Amino acid sequence: GENVEQHPSTLSVQEGDSAVIKCTYSDSASNYFPWYKQELGKRPQLIIDIRSNVGEKKDQRIAVTLNKTAKHFSLHITETQPEDSAVYFCAASYGGGGNKLTFGTGTQLKVEL
Amino acid sequence: EAGVAQSPRYKIIEKRQSVAFWCNPISGHATLYWYQQILGQGPKLLIQFQNNGVVDDSQLPKDRFSAERLKGVDSTLKIQPAKLEDSAVYLCASSSPRGGDYGYTFGSGTRLTVV
Repeated sequence: GENVEQHPSTLSVQEGDSAVIKCTYSDSASNYFPWYKQELGKRPQLIIDIRSNVGEKKDQRIAVTLNKTAKHFSLHITETQPEDSAVYFCAASYGGGGNKLTFGTGTQLKVEL
Repeated sequence: EAGVAQSPRYKIIEKRQSVAFWCNPISGHATLYWYQQILGQGPKLLIQFQNNGVVDDSQLPKDRFSAERLKGVDSTLKIQPAKLEDSAVYLCASSSPRGGDYGYTFGSGTRLTVV
């Protein structure tokens, strides 16, 4: 089955700096890669996703890149703000997003003033 | 559009007791998922339903966990008997294809503490 590894487990940045979180996946059949933000005690919230026919996607301060050959994808957050502090999870799935998700182990992002 | 509804929000039970969680997906969503999220980890799929049929239950501990979705709408997940290691948040999610997007949505979860 699919296995997703995520690094780093914790990340501390200064407000305004950029943050990068990296994930690798094992199953070449995976074709959908969402990123979730989870605040303490709340549900995971989708912040951006990318499908395997695209190499990069951007939404305001958030971008995701995908390298299918190397089987890795990354989340980039620019101009970080304190409200970006949360746990971020990457995930992988096949079926374009209508199937089970295999999650990474999470990254605790702390944005310091 | 109403979200994925789950109840209860919190549950504390003693080990060896039984417990049940309920989920009502977004209206019209054919696929329903139950995930287990242990503190400090990512969610892990327990079972996936397509309408009222099971698609994947390979990671469901079937000696103690059971789930059903009899009418293809709401679903119940049961644990009997509970163990200490079952302490986790149980998340329900649903999805359905619509215009190229699946609308994958999580509920707020049920936090289970087994003492």
